[in-house]
Amino acid sequence: NAGVMQNPRHLVRRRGQEARLRCSPMKGHSHVYWYRQLPEEGLKFMVYLQKENIIDESGMPKERFSAEFPKEGPSILRIQQVVRGDSAAYFCASSPPGGQAIRGGNTIYFGEGSWLTVV
Amino acid sequence: GQQVMQIPQYQHVQEGEDFTTYCNSSTTLSNIQWYKQRPGGHPVFLIQLVKSGEVKKQKRLTFQFGEAKKNSSLHITATQTTDVGTYFCAGRRDDKIIFGKGTRLHILP
Repeated sequence: NAGVMQNPRHLVRRRGQEARLRCSPMKGHSHVYWYRQLPEEGLKFMVYLQKENIIDESGMPKERFSAEFPKEGPSILRIQQVVRGDSAAYFCASSPPGGQAIRGGNTIYFGEGSWLTVV
Repeated sequence: GQQVMQIPQYQHVQEGEDFTTYCNSSTTLSNIQWYKQRPGGHPVFLIQLVKSGEVKKQKRLTFQFGEAKKNSSLHITATQTTDVGTYFCAGRRDDKIIFGKGTRLHILP
């Protein structure tokens, strides 16, 4: 039973390029969360998605960042025209369908992260 | 907006001493979860607390959830070098999971 899979693990981009980070949730999980972690800091919520739906994107920067979770395939976090300040670890997490969450909460499981470096 | 505050930010202890980190929310939580992140690693789920006043133990780790479901604590008895890392609490309200900034534990030999 594979865990949450993220790729690439490490990505280097020049300023102005685009970065695409992929996340395949655990089997049976239909909810995906993206978090950003700057060096020496905590986890900052970015976006919460279900299949084909963005549920909460209150943590996403207004510009250059977008996320999707299509019916087929992984969730993708896209950062356009990257800047040095985008350098961070981006963690994806997944959880089972929301019905279980309402009944008492279910845990979320993290992938190993994608480390983005902008040079 | 909703916040989850965690203190202290850093803690240095001698090996064998106890350690406690505290988590406080501005709003009532459905549940609270604790995660541990080793340096260079990813957050790993430790435990979830759901009920008001709940206490759970895992070997040397004791987790508590406050009566008002707004605060929680993690206590480690007799720390070991393997306890090094950052401990995060995460509060769930509705479908949003908000993490505290974490407490980084450093063990002095």
